[in-house]
Amino acid sequence: GEDVEQSLFLSVREGDSSVINCTYTDSSSTYLYWYKQEPGAGLQLLTYIFSNMDMKQDQRLTVLLNKKDKHLSLRIADTQTGDSAIYFCAEHSGGYQKVTFGTGTKLQVIP
Amino acid sequence: DVKVTQSSRYLVKRTGEKVFLECVQDMDHENMFWYRQDPGLGLRLIYFSYDVKMKEKGDIPEGYSVSREKKERFSLILESASTNQTSMYLCASSSPMGTEAFFGQGTRLTVV
Repeated sequence: GEDVEQSLFLSVREGDSSVINCTYTDSSSTYLYWYKQEPGAGLQLLTYIFSNMDMKQDQRLTVLLNKKDKHLSLRIADTQTGDSAIYFCAEHSGGYQKVTFGTGTKLQVIP
Repeated sequence: DVKVTQSSRYLVKRTGEKVFLECVQDMDHENMFWYRQDPGLGLRLIYFSYDVKMKEKGDIPEGYSVSREKKERFSLILESASTNQTSMYLCASSSPMGTEAFFGQGTRLTVV
């Protein structure tokens, strides 16, 4: 079955870059997502990448996909305190309804 | 502004009670989902529905049931609440060919 893994915690200093990593197992994934959850809130889509792409850049966010290794990463440039949140990696596979989420990585930004 | 609304932010229920969690979306989405979120486990899919009166089991359906009588509303039912169902419950909706799922704010349920 599908499995998505992330490290649970990351701490960075304000202004540094953050890199959050994710590994997945389903080679038939069509989309891979990054969601952000701020305290007390639901999840909000940050960005996504098609499985036939290697990289996607959106302002301070860079998504890298290594399909051979089934590895996805999210880089946040110039990390700000407002970026403190839980970040979830997710893969879309097994039909259009099925999205499998990772465990989430809690990003702490130190001023 | 798109919206998924869950009826309660916080609930406290007793063991053995029947519990209803309600979710309403205003985007005319066909797909609706119920997840539970636990620390270190991420989001796990309980049930989803791709049409009115249709439902499919997710990864952890045991102890739960769902109801979708209208397109905009998806209810999660705990027939007899137990302490191990204490968790954050998240509802989401999406269109069949859409790339984004929209989430509600979540309901933190405590079963005592």
